[in-house]
Amino acid sequence: AQRVTQPEKLLSVFKGAPVELKCNYSYSGSPELFWYVQYSRQRLQLLLRHISRESIKGFTADLNKGETSFHLKKPFAQEEDSAMYYCALSEGVNAGGTSYGKLTFGQGTILTVHP
Amino acid sequence: DSGVTQTPKHLITATGQRVTLRCSPRSGDLSVYWYQQSLDQGLQFLIQYYNGEERAKGNILERFSAQQFPDLHSELNLSSLELGDSALYFCASSVSAPGLLYGYTFGSGTRLTVV
Repeated sequence: AQRVTQPEKLLSVFKGAPVELKCNYSYSGSPELFWYVQYSRQRLQLLLRHISRESIKGFTADLNKGETSFHLKKPFAQEEDSAMYYCALSEGVNAGGTSYGKLTFGQGTILTVHP
Repeated sequence: DSGVTQTPKHLITATGQRVTLRCSPRSGDLSVYWYQQSLDQGLQFLIQYYNGEERAKGNILERFSAQQFPDLHSELNLSSLELGDSALYFCASSVSAPGLLYGYTFGSGTRLTVV
């Protein structure tokens, strides 16, 4: 079964410092990985998709299949980055045609950026 | 507006009662997912519907049930409520393609408080 692990429940950095939120996964197939952000218990918003290799709000994430990781990075954190961040994995469609895109989320990391 | 509408936004009810949470997916999305978010459990997948049919089931209690209607809106029914059911319940929808290239779009959630 697929599993997503975010080892840090809390992460604190100062403004301008680099930040890395860790995400490791276990899945036997080819995963589709995402990062979601949630500000102050609001709705979750898609931040990044690994497939698009994009950079949003200065954040990037690289899929490392050898280490089964998808860490989220930003070189210079801002106070407005303070939020809960979730890493998520989709198993896509399996051989039986089920699990049509079910997302499995990690436990989340609360990032606090201090002034 | 993300396009996913959840009602009501807040719900306070007593133990033993039954409530219905409603979700309207983004226009054109055929898949609807329900998640429960609590402080100690994080984001837990409950159930997925695709074009009216149950597609995947997660950690959903027998006291909970859901359905997706022909107009694609979905309802999550919670019965015999317990204090521990207090949580934020999110609905999400996705483009109906194999895999999950674009991630989910989340609603703003229903905050359920059981007293």
